[in-house]
Amino acid sequence: QQQVKQSPQSLIVQKGGISIINCAYENTAFDYFPWYQQFPGKGPALLIAIRPDVSEKKEGRFTISFNKSAKQFSLHIMDSQPGDSATYFCAVSGGTSYGKLTFGQGTILTVHP
Amino acid sequence: GAGVSQSPSNKVTEKGKDVELRCDPISGHTALYWYRQSLGQGLEFLIYFQGNSAPDKSGLPSDRFSAERTGGSVSTLTIQRTQQEDSAVYLCASQGAREQYFGPGTRLTVT
Repeated sequence: QQQVKQSPQSLIVQKGGISIINCAYENTAFDYFPWYQQFPGKGPALLIAIRPDVSEKKEGRFTISFNKSAKQFSLHIMDSQPGDSATYFCAVSGGTSYGKLTFGQGTILTVHP
Repeated sequence: GAGVSQSPSNKVTEKGKDVELRCDPISGHTALYWYRQSLGQGLEFLIYFQGNSAPDKSGLPSDRFSAERTGGSVSTLTIQRTQQEDSAVYLCASQGAREQYFGPGTRLTVT
């Protein structure tokens, strides 16, 4: 059973555009929703995270939107830059799984100059 | 400050050999996780340590895999009698309040 479904698998955006990646989860006990950014040959780097008591969190050009009733959350990258080209993973944790992260399948983002 | 470090960065081994992968977490972090990243399976949880104890080993794929942590710090993941399907990137993460910080990983190739 796939606990986290991430879409799209790949995304191509022009420089200056908005990149949107979506994740859906099953277990309502999850209470921590991070996004990770990974460059080739590197480990995942924490980008931004949200708890279910807020519907949106913004850090610079990165925003998480959270819809508790729909069990969905998304990452928005405003003014996308070529340096944002990377693989993005959503993840969930909480409930009985303490801090263990369950990841989405990843989205390969390419930002064209 | 120093992040999570892992060694070696790359390891090529022959099928049937044993390998040890090392993780040095961020100082003071009591929770430590091992994950595996492969093309077909994405990022998978392997094992969780709280201090030197491993309350959750449910992600270890087989009894060829084991891990330990000493002094509440360094952790070692051991794979015995390696198989080609063990080829993957092995990632270690240490946890602060809730955030997990990943090391650069060890790329294991079994020939």
